[in-house]
Amino acid sequence: KNQVEQSPQSLIILEGKNCTLQCNYTVSPFSNLRWYKQDTGRGPVSLTIMTFSENTKSNGRYTATLDADTKQSSLHITASQLSDSASYICVVTPGGNTPLVFGKGTRLSVIA
Amino acid sequence: ETGVTQTPRHLVMGMTNKKSLKCEQHLGHNAMYWYKQSAKKPLELMFVYNFKEQTENNSVPSRFSPECPNSSHLFLHLHTLQPEDSALYLCASSQALRGRDYGYTFGSGTRLTVV
Repeated sequence: KNQVEQSPQSLIILEGKNCTLQCNYTVSPFSNLRWYKQDTGRGPVSLTIMTFSENTKSNGRYTATLDADTKQSSLHITASQLSDSASYICVVTPGGNTPLVFGKGTRLSVIA
Repeated sequence: ETGVTQTPRHLVMGMTNKKSLKCEQHLGHNAMYWYKQSAKKPLELMFVYNFKEQTENNSVPSRFSPECPNSSHLFLHLHTLQPEDSALYLCASSQALRGRDYGYTFGSGTRLTVV
C-alpha cells in the first residue's frame, strides 16, 4: 500500500534556529516528491519538487533532500522566522494515473 | 492568491440543509479536484475531473455531489450531511498532460462545520 509517513508530528523551535523535518515513503512506482507549506486556514503551497535523479533542491531558506534508495526525504529550514509557523506536508506522486499520496504533515511552531 | 478561488471560506450548516461549495481557477488548467482535510489525517481525494469529465470518485458518500460545468469551475453540492463531515474542503487544479504531473495549485479551502 502506498504510504507517506512524516515525523515529527509537531515541532516547536525558537526563532532563528534551524530544523529538519522527515518524510519516509513506500510509494511505487515513484514519479516525484513535493514539500508543501500550509498556513493555518489556507491551502497548501508547493515549496519544492524533486524527481528520482535529484537529491538536493533549495528554495530560499528551505532545502529539501531526497534519497531514492532509502525512500526518504527531508526538509531543512535555516534561520527560522515566525512566518515559518505552518504545517509542512510531504506529497509523493506515483507513476501513471495513480492519485497523489499525502503525508499527515508536521506542524511547526516558531516562537520568539 | 494562488489562482484557485474557493467560496465560501467558512460555512456552518445543519444536517438537513442543502448547500454548495464553489471553486474557480484562472490558470488554464484542465483538471480539478476536491479534497477533504480532517484534523490529524492526510488529505483525502474525493473527486477528480479531467477536461470536465469525472475520472475518479473515491468511494465518497452520495450526500456529496460534484458538478463541473466547464474546465474553470467546480462545485460540491452538499445535502443531509453528518457532523463527521465537518472538515476543510480543498479544491485544486493542475495541468495534466499524458500522465505527467505539472503540480497542483490549491485554493484556500472552505471550512465546513455541520451542526
